[in-house]
Amino acid sequence: DTEVTQTPKHLVMGMTNKKSLKCEQHMGHRAMYWYKQKAKKPPELMFVYSYEKLSINESVPSRFSPECPNSSLLNLHLHALQPEDSALYLCASSVRGGTSGSNEQFFGPGTRLTVL
Amino acid sequence: AQTVTQSQPEMSVQEAETVTLSCTYDTSESDYYLFWYKQPPSRQMILVIRQEAYKQQNATENRFSVNFQKAAKSFSLKISDSQLGDAAMYFCAYRWLGTGNQFYFGTGTSLTVIP
Repeated sequence: DTEVTQTPKHLVMGMTNKKSLKCEQHMGHRAMYWYKQKAKKPPELMFVYSYEKLSINESVPSRFSPECPNSSLLNLHLHALQPEDSALYLCASSVRGGTSGSNEQFFGPGTRLTVL
Repeated sequence: AQTVTQSQPEMSVQEAETVTLSCTYDTSESDYYLFWYKQPPSRQMILVIRQEAYKQQNATENRFSVNFQKAAKSFSLKISDSQLGDAAMYFCAYRWLGTGNQFYFGTGTSLTVIP
C-alpha cells in the first residue's frame, strides 16, 4: 500500500468555525508533513512530524494546530481561519531522514479549503 | 542553506517532441537525493524520477530521464515523445541524505503540450 489518503476532499468553512483535516498512511513512514499550496506555486511547508513528535514548525499561525495521534495518522485542526488561508492542503509522508531505501515523499490528493 | 531554482516558469512542447526542464540547486552537502514531481491540474503530486547524488549514472524512467551534473549542481529533466498527459506543473526537489526530514522545492515549471 503506497497511498496517502486525506479527508475531506473539499471543505468550506466560515471564519468562526472549527474543523479538522485528516491524513493517513500505512507505509510505515515515520516522517509526516503538512503543506499549504496555492495555485501554480510549490508546496509551502507548514509542519513536520518525526516519530510522532513535532520537529519543524515553519512559524505557522496558531489558528493551525497539528496533531499526530499515532504513526499512521496526522491531523490538522483549524480554528478562526482567514480568507487568505484558502488553499490546497497537502499531506505527505516519507521514511525518516538517514534511513536507507526509497527517500521520496508520497503525497495525498489534498484538501481544497475555502474560507468564507 | 539549500535552495532549488527552476528558471523556466512556463514551457511548451509539441506532442511527440522532446522537452527539457531545468533545475539548479545549492547545497554544501555531498550526499543527497534529487527528485522531479509532476502535478497535473487539480490532481495529485506524483514522483516522476529520483536521483541519488552518489550515483554517477543518470536515472531514467521510460520516457523520462535526467541529466545530473553534480559539480555544476544541475538536474534537468528530459521528456521524450511528449504526450498530452504530460501537461502539468513540474517541481524539482532536494533532500539531504543525512538525518534531515525536510524537502526543498523549486518554484515549478508549467508544461503545456500542444496537439
